[in-house]
This record gives sequence, C-alpha cells and structure tokens, in this order.
Amino acid sequence: QKEVEQDPGPLSVPEGAIVSLNCTYSNSAFQYFMWYRQYSRKGPELLMYTYSSGNKEDGRFTAQVDKSSKYISLFIRDSQPSDSATYLCAMSPWGYNKLIFGAGTRLAVHP
Amino acid sequence: DSGVTQTPKHLITATGQRVTLRCSPRSGDLSVYWYQQSLDQGLQFLIQYYNGEERAKGNILERFSAQQFPDLHSELNLSSLELGDSALYFCASSGQGPGNTGELFFGEGSRLTVL
Repeated sequence: QKEVEQDPGPLSVPEGAIVSLNCTYSNSAFQYFMWYRQYSRKGPELLMYTYSSGNKEDGRFTAQVDKSSKYISLFIRDSQPSDSATYLCAMSPWGYNKLIFGAGTRLAVHP
Repeated sequence: DSGVTQTPKHLITATGQRVTLRCSPRSGDLSVYWYQQSLDQGLQFLIQYYNGEERAKGNILERFSAQQFPDLHSELNLSSLELGDSALYFCASSGQGPGNTGELFFGEGSRLTVL
C-alpha cells in the first residue's frame, strides 16, 4: 500500500463547477500538507500549503486537512478552463524535505 | 518561470548507456532536490543537496548518483540505463536551510527515454 493515495482521474467538469480533489495517507507523522499544480510539460508549482489540521483559503482555492481521518482535500470554486492541469498532493513530517507525492489527479475544465 | 533551469529537455538513449542531467537552481538557493516522475510511480524523491553536501536520500538506485558543485549547480548521473529508467527527472531548489526548508521551485524537467 502506498503512503499517499490519490485517484488519478481524469476528472472532467464544466466551467463554473466546484471541484473536489482528495488524498488519503497512512503515515500519522505527516504534519505538512501541500497541493501542487502541474501543467502539461511543466514542473509542479506550489498551490497551497497547510501545517497540521484545519482549513486554508486562497481565492478560489480551499485546502482542508483532517488528520483524524488521514484525509486532505482541495476545493476549487468557480472552476475555469485555465485550471485544467494535474493536481498533486504532497506531504511530509518535516516540511518541504523529502516530500511524498500522490500520483496526481488530472483535471479538465471544459467551457 | 520558476528560475530553475534543467538541461537537456529531452534525451533519448539506449539501454546500458550513461547520461548526465544538469540543473541550475534559482539564484541564491542553496538546496537542490532531484525527483523522478514516471507514469506508474508518480513523483518520487531521489536526493537532496545543500551547499554542496548530500543532505537527504530517497529511493535513489545505486546506478544513480548526484553531486552539487561549488557554483551550486547540480548534476544527476544515471548509468547502466534500463528501460524502466525512462521518466521525467525534475530538479527543484529552495532557499532556506538544510532542515525545514522553504518552498520548492521546480524546473521544467528532463525527459529521458531509454530504448
């Protein structure tokens, strides 16, 4: 069993929809949780960063961490075609060192 | 543009060969990380260097080695290549200390195809 599980999708939604992306994990030592966005033929870029449990909001993006369930989510409101990308969750006990990534979920937002 | 430069962007080679991938970190960043991204394994951490010294090791094969030079650029050497080594290899850099470092900035990757 992988330490971090993420449904690879693909996920296809209409423009304006609310998107929910999720990851589950097994290592209770994880304290740092991140979401990266990766456009085709590009490197991953950090989207959201959360320490421990709770919610964090940034514009149309909301990250949630539920450590009791070992479950993290990324919500995208009012999704746009420019949000079409692969979204990778990542986590670590130590911050940005030795991040463990999920497989990534491919999202397509169609006009 | 993340500021991290990787060369070459694409590389095609044969089994048994050796290749070197190069990474120039963002200006001033002391930490360099190497990741491998393949279809079946996702993004896997290989190794981290901080100011020329190895700081952390992940699932890096013995056939692979890396180093960071005094000018802070890094090279990842892959030898005795196998078909399964075909993947995207990403370099990332960050600007804080060797321990709890700051945000990682990824390059655009080097796509290696082993035939």
